[in-house]
Amino acid sequence: GAGVSQSPSNKVTEKGKDVELRCDPISGHTALYWYRQRLGQGLEFLIYFQGNSAPDKSGLPSDRFSAERTGESVSTLTIQRTQQEDSAVYLCASSLDRGTDTQYFGPGTRLTVL
Amino acid sequence: QKEVEQNSGPLSVPEGAIASLNCTYSDRGSQSFFWYRQYSGKSPELIMFIYSNGDKEDGRFTAQLNKASQYVSLLIRDSQPSDSATYLCAVNHSSASKIIFGSGTRLSIRP
Repeated sequence: GAGVSQSPSNKVTEKGKDVELRCDPISGHTALYWYRQRLGQGLEFLIYFQGNSAPDKSGLPSDRFSAERTGESVSTLTIQRTQQEDSAVYLCASSLDRGTDTQYFGPGTRLTVL
Repeated sequence: QKEVEQNSGPLSVPEGAIASLNCTYSDRGSQSFFWYRQYSGKSPELIMFIYSNGDKEDGRFTAQLNKASQYVSLLIRDSQPSDSATYLCAVNHSSASKIIFGSGTRLSIRP
């Protein structure tokens, strides 16, 4: 079956612009994570959705970052007024049920802020 | 103290030898432990998960869990150059129902 997909694969933007990153989880997966990975660094947790529960936003680095998810489907991560330090690969992962289950990662979106 | 700690490496191991990767965690209530492999420029992919104390073997890979000492390790037998990658340890957070990743250990297998 299809895996996790993300779009766009690459995004180059100018400082100060807003960007939207999209994630399509595996069908039937109720849990969805967003991570940020800077070059040569580990995974930085951003936000976690589980079914219809309130999302865990504890990892969002500033109020410029927000994310939405409609039901158990597509999620969008929005970064407003982008800064150069936002440049990173943004990874989405989904898991079947609880957030403790195996996560399947998408290919990521490489964001470059000039 | 980080919730999940790994030595960043690089860890250099000769081809055919055993590579040993270690991870310690701080949350005593953690129940689920995962090892992911990430090739350069690629996304992480699951290698193994372990829930119970002791060893779990899958092919050339063995995961070892010691909850009393709060560490989990991954052994790779008969290391191959294709095993060269960053290995990420992940642990569930018992009170928040989410996974916490370590920063990864870079493994290099030299021919």
